[in-house]
Amino acid sequence: GQQLNQSPQSMFIQEGEDVSMNCTSSSIFNTWLWYKQDPGEGPVLLIALYKAGELTSNGRLTAQFGITRKDSFLNISASIPSDVGIYFCAGLTSGTYKYIFGTGTRLKVLA
Amino acid sequence: SAVISQKPSRDICQRGTSLTIQCQVDSQVTMMFWYRQQPGQSLTLIATANQGSEATYESGFVIDKFPISRPNLTFSTLTVSNMSPEDSSIYLCSVIAGAGAGELFFGEGSRLTVL
Repeated sequence: GQQLNQSPQSMFIQEGEDVSMNCTSSSIFNTWLWYKQDPGEGPVLLIALYKAGELTSNGRLTAQFGITRKDSFLNISASIPSDVGIYFCAGLTSGTYKYIFGTGTRLKVLA
Repeated sequence: SAVISQKPSRDICQRGTSLTIQCQVDSQVTMMFWYRQQPGQSLTLIATANQGSEATYESGFVIDKFPISRPNLTFSTLTVSNMSPEDSSIYLCSVIAGAGAGELFFGEGSRLTVL
């Protein structure tokens, strides 16, 4: 099935550093969701975005709905070891409830 | 949000057998879905579980292989039939719920290993 492109695919960072990742598509989306998945667990919803240009924060996490509606961005400030995991974006087009998921960004934090 | 419970959380199955996964939600929800996550991969939608009618399957997934039931607005089952090692995956139940217009929540997943 169709998937969204996430970048980077994986990243190692030092504790305390800021992290940026993005999700891009050739299609326009009306909703963007960002998730974190820990090993052996289901994805946990972090942030939901509903409007182009919208900037939403959840603690140290900030996500933006791209102005073109074809991309979204997630930033994590001052990373800590428990930020380790896989981050997925998911997009929803108009007229459907079927979310399309990104390829994932695997984050590893070095203490 | 919604609290979603899945059973079993994991299982090891023999080739050729079938296994049914149960999904229980703590509130009534209209939209319920089943996703598959193959090892090291992203999530792929299997089907939309429709209450009181046949599920709607995505391309590449068929009812004979993945029969789904949804007898009410809080419960659904997914059966993985005639399993092969290629079916080894995490199977995830999800629902649209929450205060937002379309927040998708997941259960903890059912990890199946087929020998």
